[in-house]
Amino acid sequence: GNSVTQMEGPVTLSEEAFLTINCTYTATGYPSLFWYVQYPGEGLQLLLKATKADDKGSNKGFEATYRKETTSFHLEKGSVQVSDSAVYFCALRMNRDDKIIFGKGTRLHILP
Amino acid sequence: GAGVSQSPSNKVTEKGKDVELRCDPISGHTALYWYRQSLGQGLEFLIYFQGNSAPDKSGLPSDRFSAERTGGSVSTLTIQRTQQEDSAVYLCASSLARTPDTQYFGPGTRLTVL
Repeated sequence: GNSVTQMEGPVTLSEEAFLTINCTYTATGYPSLFWYVQYPGEGLQLLLKATKADDKGSNKGFEATYRKETTSFHLEKGSVQVSDSAVYFCALRMNRDDKIIFGKGTRLHILP
Repeated sequence: GAGVSQSPSNKVTEKGKDVELRCDPISGHTALYWYRQSLGQGLEFLIYFQGNSAPDKSGLPSDRFSAERTGGSVSTLTIQRTQQEDSAVYLCASSLARTPDTQYFGPGTRLTVL
């Protein structure tokens, strides 16, 4: 079946470090791909998305590129801040289906 | 404007009891989703409602779980004969029919089964 695998956390970095959170997917077809974020005490919210191969989603300094050849959608940020501490979920949606399939989440801690 | 609301925010129950969890979606959102967030398991899809169509129940883990959506708005998730493994945070989300990618999540109900 369709699924998402992302790197296990927690990931702990110092402020201004470079961030990569790996995500790969398995899907029969060409899904839309997402990163959702859950800040402490808040609800889950969409961070960025890409709907086709080679698309790059970006928001709040975060980027992820839809790589069909490696079935990946890795999340990157050049310089993280303490306020980026949260749980990040990689996810996919098949084009004929409205439900979203989420990965297990990666907890990110940024130290000042 | 109001976001997705859920009640109760916390629920502690004894094994074997039934529980009902409520979700109020954003007004005008025709799509409503229930997910379960368990420790170490990530976010697990449970059930999806879209307008008047039959719900997609493919994610319900057992027949003890059911959900309904009355009048195309409020939804109730019912868990019968609760078990300890049902302990989790139950999240509700809603979206416009034409933008299923952008789901708006509620704060969740934390269920603890003793």
